[in-house]
Amino acid sequence: QITLKESGPTLVKPTQTLTLTCSFSGFSLSTSAVGVGWIRQPPGKALEWLALIYSEDDKRYSPSLKSRLTITKDTSKNQVVLTMTNMDPVDTATYYCARRGVWFDYWGQGTLVTVSS
Amino acid sequence: EIVLTQSPATLSLSPGERATLSCRAGQSVSSYLAWYQQKPGQAPRLLIYDASNRATGIPARFSGSGSGTDFSLTISSLEPEDFAVYYCQQRANWPLTFGQGTRLEIK
Repeated sequence: QITLKESGPTLVKPTQTLTLTCSFSGFSLSTSAVGVGWIRQPPGKALEWLALIYSEDDKRYSPSLKSRLTITKDTSKNQVVLTMTNMDPVDTATYYCARRGVWFDYWGQGTLVTVSS
Repeated sequence: EIVLTQSPATLSLSPGERATLSCRAGQSVSSYLAWYQQKPGQAPRLLIYDASNRATGIPARFSGSGSGTDFSLTISSLEPEDFAVYYCQQRANWPLTFGQGTRLEIK
């Protein structure tokens, strides 16, 4: 059974750095061509892909956010970490992690992050 | 970046009716398109991948078609649990992109 779960702060202040952890089970990031991605969704708005990391440590980022994002993995702990710098109120959203075999076939429940002073 | 445009923004239908949702890509994505369903307070769920293949456990009333730039998701006979928001997503080119969604609501 494949599960993913996001964890991190629910409230961050403007200019702070957000660190989110995706803890997963039921698959391994040492399996070739498997990846874990991050997708966010502002309240009432559409999904936006942020970043993706593959088992081979290949990393991909949304061009519009690339300068603010870092994605890393700890294969031994079955975790993927996303950091986003210089948070702004427009970054308020539910942040999801999802497994990417070829498509995003398993998703976490999401975690709502609010950016406010 | 490949822009995906979904139409209509909102579709109002009754249970038992047929629903057809559209996703148009700004350039060809071949068949590298998926559809997701999202219900309130839930994560998206993969419905259709590679334009026309149902994901595991997805009922046969859901079907996808299209290639290149024009795609459709059809629900042959709406069940009460099908009223939700539907997103398309492409993986043909980086960055990965999603459409803006179609809300399927009960008439």
